[in-house]
Amino acid sequence: QVQLVQSGAEVKKPGASVKVSCKASGYTFTNYGISWVRQAPGQGLEWMGWISAYNGYTNYAQKLQGRVTMTTDTSTSTAYMELRSLRSDDTALYYCARAPGDGSGAFDPWGQGALVTVSS
Amino acid sequence: SYVLTQPPSLSVAPGKTATITCGGNKIGGKSVHWYQQKPGQAPVLVISYDSDRPSGIPERFSGSNSGNTATLTISRVEAGDEADYFCQVWDSSSDHPGYVFGTGTKVTVL
Repeated sequence: QVQLVQSGAEVKKPGASVKVSCKASGYTFTNYGISWVRQAPGQGLEWMGWISAYNGYTNYAQKLQGRVTMTTDTSTSTAYMELRSLRSDDTALYYCARAPGDGSGAFDPWGQGALVTVSS
Repeated sequence: SYVLTQPPSLSVAPGKTATITCGGNKIGGKSVHWYQQKPGQAPVLVISYDSDRPSGIPERFSGSNSGNTATLTISRVEAGDEADYFCQVWDSSSDHPGYVFGTGTKVTVL
């Protein structure tokens, strides 16, 4: 079955960087994209950006431009999201989700989430 | 930027119908997707492209979209439907296209 498995929880200090991985299985990785979504404690969903697994094209949320980088490794069907210059309000659950290859459309399925805690 | 507004909460008795709205400017011209998120779990797609049900989603879940409001309807509500529900659209109207999520609706089954 289609599955996305994410890396584990991270604790980082303000100003540091974090890199979260998302390993896909059960489908042809390069036929789709991967979107990243985060959810602060007790809050709603915030879209962070999308990457095409076919050609590496990215579309980042304007709010995170300059701090986020999304990449893929097609040899291992793994997507990565790196967030730099971390602040306390970056504390959140970070999800990856399979997205259509054209960058628009529904997300299905989602990974289990990776908790990133930013604290001094 | 494009804004999607949902009621914060909704209470419904078992066996009744839950109607969750998602308001946005001319949302009827966009494709709306709906996600269910139970406590401690990742979101799950329940309706795509306004009214399509993914495989495995009960027929009790249905969707519609017109004018300035999209709607997710849950018929014959069960205790297991208690969750947060989020709508989502792709907004291509701004100078920086991207996905937008609604504010979320917490559904409580009485």
